Amino acid sequence: RKEVEQDPGPFNVPEGATVAFNCTYSNSASQSFFWYRQDCRKEPKLLMSVYSSGNEDGRFTAQLNRASQYISLLIRDSKLSDSATYLCVVKAAGGFKTIFGAGTRLFVKA
Amino acid sequence: DVKVTQSSRYLVKRTGEKVFLECVQDMDHENMFWYRQDPGLGLRLIYFSYDVKMKEKGDIPEGYSVSREKKERFSLILESASTNQTSMYLCASSRGLGQAQPQHFGDGTRLSIL
Repeated sequence: RKEVEQDPGPFNVPEGATVAFNCTYSNSASQSFFWYRQDCRKEPKLLMSVYSSGNEDGRFTAQLNRASQYISLLIRDSKLSDSATYLCVVKAAGGFKTIFGAGTRLFVKA
Repeated sequence: DVKVTQSSRYLVKRTGEKVFLECVQDMDHENMFWYRQDPGLGLRLIYFSYDVKMKEKGDIPEGYSVSREKKERFSLILESASTNQTSMYLCASSRGLGQAQPQHFGDGTRLSIL
């Protein structure tokens, strides 16, 4: 079983739609969680950190469920520019080990 | 803003060559990382460093070495390049040991070994 698993997609949605991605992790000692965005042939860029109480940044909402060991990303009112691959990132406690999911591809169409 | 700069965007080398990939960050970050990214495999950690002259193996260190002589610079070395090292290489840096510190990436180097 992979340490961090994501549905690879692709998710094809129309502009204005709401879309949600889930990511599961296997190490219950994981302490820090992030979502990154990666455009085609570019580097990953930090989208947002994920906090225990859930957090929102504009149209993006991130949630953490420690009991079930998953994090989620919700995108409301999708824009064409949201088309990208979204990487789930999990960092273990007490060290440097950071695990990147393989990513979920999103295509937003007009 | 954090700036992580990789020396080359695209590089073509021949089998058996010694290849150097350079990475510089300007935010005085303690930690630096080298990854490779291949389709379907995601990001895989090659080496990381948490201080000058310190280095630790990641998940796939075979065929690679690293050097960190200065805090801002982290070099990846392919001792004798092979075709299976054709990949996108990404350097990243992060601050200290804080759990909530994310990594910031350079633009990446697309390396082709012929």
